[in-house]
Amino acid sequence: AAGVIQSPRHLIKEKRETATLKCYPIPRHDTVYWYQQGPGQDPQFLISFYEKMQSDKGSIPDRFSAQQFSDYHSELNMSSLELGDSALYFCASSLGQGDLDTQYFGPGTRLTVL
Amino acid sequence: DQQVKQNSPSLSVQEGRISILNCDYTNSMFDYFLWYKKYPAEGPTFLISISSIKDKNEDGRFTVFLNKSAKHLSLHIVPSQPGDSAVYFCAASETGANNLFFGTGTRLTVIP
Repeated sequence: AAGVIQSPRHLIKEKRETATLKCYPIPRHDTVYWYQQGPGQDPQFLISFYEKMQSDKGSIPDRFSAQQFSDYHSELNMSSLELGDSALYFCASSLGQGDLDTQYFGPGTRLTVL
Repeated sequence: DQQVKQNSPSLSVQEGRISILNCDYTNSMFDYFLWYKKYPAEGPTFLISISSIKDKNEDGRFTVFLNKSAKHLSLHIVPSQPGDSAVYFCAASETGANNLFFGTGTRLTVIP
């Protein structure tokens, strides 16, 4: 079965650069969630989208923005990167909102900021 | 402020024995709890969940227990198998919210 796809899997950037992470949900899933997991830390919720509209916002810095497109894929745009942005970024998708156990996670994008 | 805590970063268990992973939370508004399992280079995979109206949920070898008064839940794996070796995350949420609050994870190693 198709799973959540994230690209790239690894990304290395310099401080103050920008980065774009992409997430392709499971076919027919209309909800996308973004999480950030720093080294040795728990995944932190950043933001979610349902039917291309922002549905929930967590601890997402103002330097970050995200959107969900008409094909339901989502992109997380990160600007003015800082060393502390180095983390594993997970995307998850679900069909509709409400059943949290049906939130399927992608393999993550590991971002390293030098 | 860590609202979900897993105080044991690691746990080693002999194959065939019981694995008990613990999780504590501070937010009394949480009413839905999940356990995820994570292998290296993969995203977390849903394992089992429990609603606050229950105190136990069982699925095969996996059982989750919830003690609301103590704000504590635990995951029991019986019998433990080497393939269970992974990092286990506890997560919590409250009704109406779609985001999850995760613990820091416990690395389980099942020794053959």
